[in-house]
This record gives sequence, structure tokens and C-alpha cells, in this order.
Amino acid sequence: DQQVKQNSPSLSVQEGRISILNCDYTNSMFDYFLWYKKYPAEGPTFLISISSIKDKNEDGRFTVFLNKSAKHLSLHIVPSQPGDSAVYFCAASGSSYDKVIFGPGTSLSVIP
Amino acid sequence: DVKVTQSSRYLVKRTGEKVFLECVQDMDHENMFWYRQDPGLGLRLIYFSYDVKMKEKGDIPEGYSVSREKKERFSLILESASTNQTSMYLCASSYPGTSGNFYEQFFGPGTRLTVL
Repeated sequence: DQQVKQNSPSLSVQEGRISILNCDYTNSMFDYFLWYKKYPAEGPTFLISISSIKDKNEDGRFTVFLNKSAKHLSLHIVPSQPGDSAVYFCAASGSSYDKVIFGPGTSLSVIP
Repeated sequence: DVKVTQSSRYLVKRTGEKVFLECVQDMDHENMFWYRQDPGLGLRLIYFSYDVKMKEKGDIPEGYSVSREKKERFSLILESASTNQTSMYLCASSYPGTSGNFYEQFFGPGTRLTVL
């Protein structure tokens, strides 16, 4: 059973609008969450992270929100740009874990 | 810039062949990882290593082995390749995190392996 879920395999958004990518997790021991972005024919690159002691972390156009009680996090991209078109992986880990668990990914298409 | 390189971008092998995938990182990272990426399944951890000559099984180690003789190099070995091992293989490295966590990982470009 997947511990990190991304229930939307794909998402299309108009350029300039907000992109919201969602992620749910089942393990309450996770206390650190990350988002990675992956372009075709390249390896994933780290985008942004959040610790469980926070509920929001912002880096430029990217903001991650964490709702621990719902075991849910989301990545907001504002404004969306065509170069943001990629697969986004949500990932989770924790102090009692020795590895990072990745979700299945969401493919984002930003339409010019 | 951290650089993680993988020996091949594309490989085609036959069933039963022994396959070696090589990964090299240039940032003196202690931790190294091998994942495979399949549609709808995300990245699944095969093996990882937190030091030279050390290895730990990930979530799907069956059919694979690894070797880490030098800090910068981590090899994935398919002892007898099978068609269900056709996949994208990704290598990653990271500094050791607190409490032994592996958070921000740096990935190589991947090797697309096809087993016929």
C-alpha cells in the first residue's frame, strides 16, 4: 500500500493561473516533506521542502502547505509558467525513517 | 554544482544477461541510492548505501545487487536480467541528514534499460 499518494496523475493549467498539486500520506511518523520536479530525460531535482513543525513554506513562486491533521500537503505555483510543465513528485521522510518515500507523481502541463 | 553521472542513458539487453549500471558523484556525498521509476508507481528504492562497502536493501531489492568500493561510485547489478526489469533507473546521492535521514537527494539523468 502506497504511503504517499498523489491522486491526480495529470493537471492542465493556463499560463499565469495558479497550479495546485496535492499529496496525501498515511504514515503519521513522517515529519519532513519534499517536492521534486522532473523533466523528460532528466533526473528529478529538489524543489521545496517543509518540516512538520511548520504549516507553510514559501520560495518565490512556489509555496508548500502542510495540514498534519488531514495528512495532506499541497504545492502551489503562482503564476504558472510553461517552463513549469514537468512531473512533480511528493516525497516524505522522518527521524524514525532511514529512507525517503516518493509518491507516483503528477504531470503538470502549463498551456501558453 | 553537484554532479551525479550515470554510465549510460540507454541500454538494451537480452534476458539472462548480467547488467552493470554505474553511478558516480563528485560532491563527496556519503549516501547513495538506486531507484527505478515506473509509470503510476513513482520512484521505488532498490538499494542504498551510507558508506563505502555498506549497503542496505530498499523496497524492491529482489533480482538486484549493488557494490560500493569507492565513496564516489555506486554500481547496480542485475545478475540475470528479466523483462520485468525494463525500467528507468535513477541514481542519487546526498549528505547524511540528522538522525540518519536522507532528505535532499541529487539525482543523475537516469538510464533507460530495456530487456528483450
